[in-house]
Amino acid sequence: GENVEQHPSTLSVQEGDSAVIKCTYSDSASNYFPWYKQELGKRPQLIIDIRSNVGEKKDQRIAVTLNKTAKHFSLHITETQPEDSAVYFCAAGGNKLVFGAGTILRVKS
Amino acid sequence: NAGVTQTPKFQVLKTGQSMTLQCAQDMNHEYMSWYRQDPGMGLRLIHYSVGAGITDQGEVPNGYNVSRSTTEDFPLRLLSAAPSQTSVYFCASSYSGGWEFFGPGTRLTVL
Repeated sequence: GENVEQHPSTLSVQEGDSAVIKCTYSDSASNYFPWYKQELGKRPQLIIDIRSNVGEKKDQRIAVTLNKTAKHFSLHITETQPEDSAVYFCAAGGNKLVFGAGTILRVKS
Repeated sequence: NAGVTQTPKFQVLKTGQSMTLQCAQDMNHEYMSWYRQDPGMGLRLIHYSVGAGITDQGEVPNGYNVSRSTTEDFPLRLLSAAPSQTSVYFCASSYSGGWEFFGPGTRLTVL
């Protein structure tokens, strides 16, 4: 089955800097790669996703890149703000999603 | 639209008890799923459904049953609760497998 590894487990950046979170997956049949933001005590919130026929997708300060050959995908957040502080999860799959273990992002002002 | 709703929000069970976690959506989504989230971990898929009458297992299905008799509802049944099932349970729905709508969660404690 699918296995997703996510790095780093924690990430601290200064406000205004960029943050990058990376995930690798094992199943070449996976075709859907979403990213979720989860604040403490809240539900996961889909922030961006990409499908396997696309290499890059951007939405304002957030972008995701996918390298199918290497089986890895990354989340890029530019101009970070304190409200970006949260836990971020990557996932891979299709109808069945396998999640990474999460990255705690702290944006220091 | 109410989106995805879950009941109850909190539940305490004793070992061996059974119960049903309710999940409903009013967006006419075909896809629905159940996840559990343990402290400091990502979500793990328990069961999912791609339409009424169709269900399949996820990563951690043991100890849980599901059925999908209507498009709107996807209940999760714990057959005989165990302390290892203490977790936060999230239901999710999607129109086309994009998994963008999550419910608020049910926090379950099994003593």
